[in-house]
Amino acid sequence: NAGVTQTPKFQVLKTGQSMTLQCAQDMNHNSMYWYRQDPGMGLRLIYYSASEGTTDKGEVPNGYNVSRLNKREFSLRLESAAPSQTSVYFCASRTGPSGSVTQYFGPGTRLLVL
Amino acid sequence: SQQGEEDPQALSIQEGENATMNCSYKTSINNLQWYRQNSGRGLVHLILIRSNEREKHSGRLRVTLDTSKKSSSLLITASRAADTASYFCATSDTGRRALTFGSGTRLQVQP
Repeated sequence: NAGVTQTPKFQVLKTGQSMTLQCAQDMNHNSMYWYRQDPGMGLRLIYYSASEGTTDKGEVPNGYNVSRLNKREFSLRLESAAPSQTSVYFCASRTGPSGSVTQYFGPGTRLLVL
Repeated sequence: SQQGEEDPQALSIQEGENATMNCSYKTSINNLQWYRQNSGRGLVHLILIRSNEREKHSGRLRVTLDTSKKSSSLLITASRAADTASYFCATSDTGRRALTFGSGTRLQVQP
């Protein structure tokens, strides 16, 4: 039982390049989330998927897109990376909208945009 | 914007001492959670307290909640070097499906 896994662990991009961050969970959770964490700050919600087939914007969605590929996988795409997107990105999951509110986090992806 | 604000931002204590960190939030909540983040790692859930509870214990952790003051505190008793981490409070309300995090308290426990 791996929990929540994220790939890659670290990535360097040039301004304007695109990339997709991958997230998968093996806990049969319905809800999945993408957060970003900037130095000295808490996590801010980018997008979430309450259940398979649905996605919703969070607090800071601009510059990002998401895909809930299936129940296990939730990807985050940067179409044209900007230095302001340099951050650590965390994926999380929970049972579902009506279940436990506890979220389980992946180890994070550190992204540097030059 | 951040829902919760932790206080202090940083705390350094000796092993065996107690550590207390506080969280204030702005809107009505259903529950409040505390998470720990070790350096370079993801967050790990520690404890949850519901809006109708005032105090909760889990091992060396004690959480209090004062909804009238919109504040919570996390007490770690008999701290250990392994408790060194950042601690975040997170809230959720009936209207949101995601958590809103505070800015965190960095705890350093000196051996």
